[in-house]
Amino acid sequence: QKEVEQNSGPLSVPEGAIASLNCTYSDRGSQSFFWYRQYSGKSPELIMFIYSNGDKEDGRFTAQLNKASQYVSLLIRDSQPSDSATYLCAVNIGGTGNQFYFGTGTSLTVIP
Amino acid sequence: IAGITQAPTSQILAAGRRMTLRCTQDMRHNAMYWYRQDLGLGLRLIHYSNTAGTTGKGEVPDGYSVSRANTDDFPLTLASAVPSQTSVYFCASSDSWGGDTGELFFGEGSRLTVL
Repeated sequence: QKEVEQNSGPLSVPEGAIASLNCTYSDRGSQSFFWYRQYSGKSPELIMFIYSNGDKEDGRFTAQLNKASQYVSLLIRDSQPSDSATYLCAVNIGGTGNQFYFGTGTSLTVIP
Repeated sequence: IAGITQAPTSQILAAGRRMTLRCTQDMRHNAMYWYRQDLGLGLRLIHYSNTAGTTGKGEVPDGYSVSRANTDDFPLTLASAVPSQTSVYFCASSDSWGGDTGELFFGEGSRLTVL
């Protein structure tokens, strides 16, 4: 079992809709959580990070963390065609040092 | 601003050959990482280094070795390449200590094909 699990999708939403991406992790000691966006053929780039339970909002993006359920999500409001990409959930499991583990990614397509 | 530079960007390699993927960062980040990305499997951590002189094993370390002689460089070596090591390899760095901070900055990737 992977440390970080994501639904690989693909997920399709119409332009202007809310896209919801989900992620679960197995290590209860994990302390920091990240969402990266990766366009085809490109490197991943950070969208959001969250450390505390609850919601964190940044523009059209909201990250949600529930440590008790070991669950992280990303909401994208007013989805745009430019949001079409693969979204990667990452968890820093810490321990003896920093080890960032990624999920398999969710492919999102926003339909104009 | 270079950030992280990986070389080569692409390489075709015969099975059994030795190969070193180079990674250099100019951000003075203490931590560096190597990932491989395969379709359907996402990014998998191969090796990491939290500071110069130290390295650690990630999820899929077998067949790979790393060294961290200084802050800036973190080469990944395949001692005897096998076709299952065909992948896109990403080097990354972060400026973080402990377990709860740190954005990862990625290089552009190295596409390796082992025949």
